[in-house]
Amino acid sequence: QSVLTQPPSAFGAPGQRVVISCSGSGSNVGINPVTWYQQLPGTAPKVLIYRDDQWPSGVPDRFSGSKSGTSASLAINGLQSEDEADYYCAAWDDSLNGYVFGTGTKVTVL
Amino acid sequence: EVQLVESGGGVVQPGGSLRLSCAATDLIFNTYWIHWVRQVPGMGLVWVARINSDGSIITYADSVKGRFTLSRDNAKNTLHLHMSSLRAEDTAIYYCASFSVSGAYYGDYWGQGTRVTVSS
Repeated sequence: QSVLTQPPSAFGAPGQRVVISCSGSGSNVGINPVTWYQQLPGTAPKVLIYRDDQWPSGVPDRFSGSKSGTSASLAINGLQSEDEADYYCAAWDDSLNGYVFGTGTKVTVL
Repeated sequence: EVQLVESGGGVVQPGGSLRLSCAATDLIFNTYWIHWVRQVPGMGLVWVARINSDGSIITYADSVKGRFTLSRDNAKNTLHLHMSSLRAEDTAIYYCASFSVSGAYYGDYWGQGTRVTVSS
């Protein structure tokens, strides 16, 4: 089981704001950069946010990341139908000496 | 085009072995870390192992340590994941991927995945 905890689901109407939390600990989120991945149905994951709050080129700025202590968050502003996907946080864990993914959050656009 | 292509998946009995392969383009194979990540369909992502660009550093998840081995074939730009003592819980889609865990970003590259089923 994952050491990073996310809510299993999140919902929002088109145009609304959705926030996904990622709860970790002092050996992972608390001391290492967090990456957020988006996995569209039937496809491989893709980086959405890296180093807690940075966007790769091509990612819309309505996606934003933040981190405070041992928790991180991903916000989706102006929700669109194409945002329906699974979202995972991830970070290196110094105690486990391994990379840990969050439990995943399925975002549904109502 | 920068890419990763997995192969080698299939059905294997519990206790058996299987070798997955990941063919990488020059840039990835000779420059970046390569990881294996697995996912049971409908479930979450699980990191399995990683190897650096010269093969000097290899790290495994506790769940596969001692059973899985990563190796590189430099002549063919190919990474191999040797899986032995396979268990039902190893059943998953296995992705070969290249991404940074250090906070840098050079792109992230994922293969299409190869399915492994451990069943009698």
